[in-house]
Amino acid sequence: EVQLVESGGGLVQPGGSLRLSCAASGFAVSNNYMSWVRQAPGKGLEWVSVIHSDGSTYYADSVTGRFAISRDNSKNTLYLQMSSLRVGDTAVYYCARNGFDSSGHDAFDIWGQGTMVTVSS
Amino acid sequence: DIQMTQSPSSLSASVGDRVTITCRASQSISRYLNWYQQKPGKAPKLLMYAAFSLQSGVPSRFSGSGSGTDFTLTISSLQPEDFATYYCQQSYSTPPWTFGQGTKVEIK
Repeated sequence: EVQLVESGGGLVQPGGSLRLSCAASGFAVSNNYMSWVRQAPGKGLEWVSVIHSDGSTYYADSVTGRFAISRDNSKNTLYLQMSSLRVGDTAVYYCARNGFDSSGHDAFDIWGQGTMVTVSS
Repeated sequence: DIQMTQSPSSLSASVGDRVTITCRASQSISRYLNWYQQKPGKAPKLLMYAAFSLQSGVPSRFSGSGSGTDFTLTISSLQPEDFATYYCQQSYSTPPWTFGQGTKVEIK
């Protein structure tokens, strides 16, 4: 079965760090673009970061320099290392696969269930 | 960055109604437009990609149209399980991938 399962969320103080994990099954993380998307309570969806199949990484301006995306091919797992956390980073964090069609259009076609990160003192 | 604007932000409709949601991009994005459905407490689900291609397993009452800057998602006959929030998202100029603010479809 193709699925993504996130873990690692929790309560952290402002300025703290947290690492999220996203275990994939049914496909190889290394062969795909993989993203993190977050959703603050009661708000819309915000793309956070992506890692390409070639290993290149990109970030939203709001997290650049504070978050780092990575993957472990042997564990088929995606990670998001978050540091210098702010109250505004409070959100449900989803990992998602960027699936491509034959014409090169991509969409987030597989999503995890999400993990809640709360930044509060 | 490309900005995506949806309208309306919310709507009330009855089972069986035809519902249309619009999405406008701040610049031309060709057909690089996707639609998602999200129910409370759940992850988003891909409905349509490349403006009008139906994702596998999605009922045919959902359809998409448009190109350039203006797009629509139509539900031909609203069903009880369709009450949710819908988001459009562009994949033309990335990163970043950007979403509309969402349209909440509520029961009338």
